[in-house]
Amino acid sequence: DVKVTQSSRYLVKRTGEKVFLECVQDMDHENMFWYRQDPGLGLRLIYFSYDVKMKEKGDIPEGYSVSREKKERFSLILESASTNQTSMYLCASSYYGGQGSEQYFGPGTRLTVT
Amino acid sequence: GENVEQHPSTLSVQEGDSAVIKCTYSDSASNYFPWYKQELGKGPQLIIDIRSNVGEKKDQRIAVTLNKTAKHFSLHITETQPEDSAVYFCAASSNTGNQFYFGTGTSLTVIP
Repeated sequence: DVKVTQSSRYLVKRTGEKVFLECVQDMDHENMFWYRQDPGLGLRLIYFSYDVKMKEKGDIPEGYSVSREKKERFSLILESASTNQTSMYLCASSYYGGQGSEQYFGPGTRLTVT
Repeated sequence: GENVEQHPSTLSVQEGDSAVIKCTYSDSASNYFPWYKQELGKGPQLIIDIRSNVGEKKDQRIAVTLNKTAKHFSLHITETQPEDSAVYFCAASSNTGNQFYFGTGTSLTVIP
């Protein structure tokens, strides 16, 4: 079975803390993605990666960075968490397909910044 | 860049009735249109998709239609059941990359 796992389901952090969200996929997918999901705004892409050590900014990269040192692992980093980063964070992966390919999502991490 | 709009944001139907969710997109280069279902506490899961060389696709009670000229596509669920209650997202993607652009979601409630 296809699997995308995220390190935490729920996380509570204080303003100014450095936060790491980790995502692991077991499908040998080239592409990995980080989204945030907010009510009424849908899924917005933060960053994506199409290969190890490669990254591309999505629509809302400000305040975030990413790391992809191994093919199966994609980390999202909040350098200094702020309350407006309270959200649901979803990781996804897909194989590299020129005509679009299914993205497989993890269960999400609900982050609260106080 | 691509802009995907989705309507309605909420939809309530009686069990057994049909539900229709509509999306429009702006980039004529988009050629892959998946639909995702997100149940409470879970990540989105693909339920059906359609490519631009096809006008309609069916999978049991679920169907998707695509009108490339008008740049819109729709999800149709027939004979709805309570387990169809979830949030549904449409998305669009193109050959130029693997980035998806998602709609804002439709919360579907099927009333028993």
